[in-house]
This record gives sequence, C-alpha cells and structure tokens, in this order.
Amino acid sequence: SQELEQSPQSLIVQEGKNLTINCTSSKTLYGLYWYKQKYGEGLIFLMMLQKGGEEKSHEKITAKLDEKKQQSSLHITASQPSHAGIYLCGADITGTASKLTFGTGTRLQVTL
Amino acid sequence: DADVTQTPRNRITKTGKRIMLECSQTKGHDRMYWYRQDPGLGLRLIYYSFDVKDINKGEISDGYSVSRQAQAKFSLSLESAIPNQTALYFCATSDLGKARSGANVLTFGAGSRLTVL
Repeated sequence: SQELEQSPQSLIVQEGKNLTINCTSSKTLYGLYWYKQKYGEGLIFLMMLQKGGEEKSHEKITAKLDEKKQQSSLHITASQPSHAGIYLCGADITGTASKLTFGTGTRLQVTL
Repeated sequence: DADVTQTPRNRITKTGKRIMLECSQTKGHDRMYWYRQDPGLGLRLIYYSFDVKDINKGEISDGYSVSRQAQAKFSLSLESAIPNQTALYFCATSDLGKARSGANVLTFGAGSRLTVL
C-alpha cells in the first residue's frame, strides 16, 4: 500500500477556478515537500513544510501542514493554464532527513 | 547547462540487454538518488548515496545496481533489462548540510525514459 496518498488522482478545472490537492500519511510527516512536474519532464520544487500548522504561499499557490503533521494540502487560487501538470508530495517519514517518500501524484488540467 | 544532467534522455532496448543510465551534477551536493516513475505509482526510490563510499538500497533495488564514481557522478545499471523496468527514471541530488537542519530538498534531473521491448 502507498505510504503517501494523494487525492484526487486527476483534476480538470476551468481557468480562474480554485482547487485543492491533498496529501495524507498514516505516519508523522517530519518534512513535507511539494513538487510540480510538467508532463514527461523533471520535478520542480515548490515548497517545504516542517512545523504543524505551518502555511506557506508562493504567488497563487498555498500549502499547509495540519497540526498533527499527517496531512498537507496544496491550494491554487484562480488557476491558470501555466498551473497544469502533475503535483507530487514528498515526505520525510523517517525523521532522519535521509530520503523522501513520494505520493502517487495529482494530474491537473486547466481548461480555457 | 542543467544542474543535474541525465543521459541518455530516451532509450529503447531489448529484453536481456545491459543498460546504464548516467547522472552528473554541478551543484556540489553530497547526496544522490535514483527514482523510477510509473503511472499511478508515483516515484519509488531505487538506490541512494550519501558519498562515494556510502550506497544504500531503496524500496525497489532488485534488478538494479549503482556506482558512485565520484561525488558528482552516480550511474544506474540494469544488468539484464526486462519489460517491467520500462519507466521514467530520475536522478536527484540534495545537500547534506541543509539536510542536517531537516530540509532535504531534492533537485531533479530531466529524466531518462527507458523502454524495454
């Protein structure tokens, strides 16, 4: 079974709409990393969260880590075609910062 | 030039052939990783290395081997490729110094797409 579950698996939204992607773990998330991947390309780092309740924003993307540090959400406000791609959460679930475990990814399409 | 360079970018091979995927980095990072990506399965860790003398198995190391030839180079080998090793392979690096503070941000290469017929 997957240690990090992402939902939804895919999402189609109209340009200008808001959306949320979730990343859930059965284990404590010692560090939670959000990445974006354009189809068939490498992963680009977006944001990292470590503290329970932490929230970070960059342009129209906001990421939160819940108080219990077992779930994170990524919220995009007023989506644009440039937001299209695959969003992956990666996490340190060992507490050693030695490696990251990744979720299955969420494929986002933004329609005009 | 990219910080993390993977070669080849695309490769088609036949079952039983030996394949090597190469990764080089200019970031001066200590740590290097190999992941594979399959549809619906996300990224899964194959091997990782903290320095030239430190190689560790990831969750799916069977059928793969690695070599850390230098701090900047980390290659992945498939000794006898099989069709279910068809996937997109990623090399990544991270900075040990920053990881000690708990921030293990990975920098990824563009990926190597391998097809085994």
